Amino acid sequence: NAGVTQTPKFQVLKTGQSMTLQCAQDMNHNSMYWYRQDPGMGLRLIYYSASEGTTDKGEVPNGYNVSRLNKREFSLRLESAAPSQTSVYFCASSVTGYYNEQFFGPGTRLTVL
Amino acid sequence: QKEVEQNSGPLSVPEGAIASLNCTYSDRGSQSFFWYRQYSGKSPELIMSIYSNGDKEDGRFTAQLNKASQYVSLLIRDSQPSDSATYLCAVNAGGTSYGKLTFGQGTILTVHP
Repeated sequence: NAGVTQTPKFQVLKTGQSMTLQCAQDMNHNSMYWYRQDPGMGLRLIYYSASEGTTDKGEVPNGYNVSRLNKREFSLRLESAAPSQTSVYFCASSVTGYYNEQFFGPGTRLTVL
Repeated sequence: QKEVEQNSGPLSVPEGAIASLNCTYSDRGSQSFFWYRQYSGKSPELIMSIYSNGDKEDGRFTAQLNKASQYVSLLIRDSQPSDSATYLCAVNAGGTSYGKLTFGQGTILTVHP
């Protein structure tokens, strides 16, 4: 099993460009999450999907959109990238429920110039 | 006030010593608690989860939970240089925050030979 996979690993954008970060999991998990990690700010939740067909905002959703394409895939879209969105983005998944152990993908390092 | 706080660190211990990492949380309704290890440039890796008061041991790692004091800790016995990493405390609040983890800022641990 590959676990949680993310593409691309690295990306450089110019201000105003758009892009989609892809995430897939093969653990048959119901819930999926997008986080960003910035120095001194820790991991912050952008959006999450408790189950297929549902999405909800996290702590820092502005400037992002998400799509839960199916049970396996959860994408994050930046419609008009800004330098403030320079960060490392992690996708995670979990079995929905009390225990909620989340497993992370390898991350995408995004730089917006 | 931060919802999840960790001892600020960095923490430096000699090889073979016990490393003690601490975390406090503000939401009394919190249901489950996790410790992640993150090596530089890598994604967070789940190393311990704990759900009820008391101690939980897994190899050289022991997690301790005290819900009355809103405190969770991680002890690493016989610390090795390979344990050098950032350790993240994460809390699942439950209730309306069900399924969402809140992370602390992390504690950098260095184990020196």
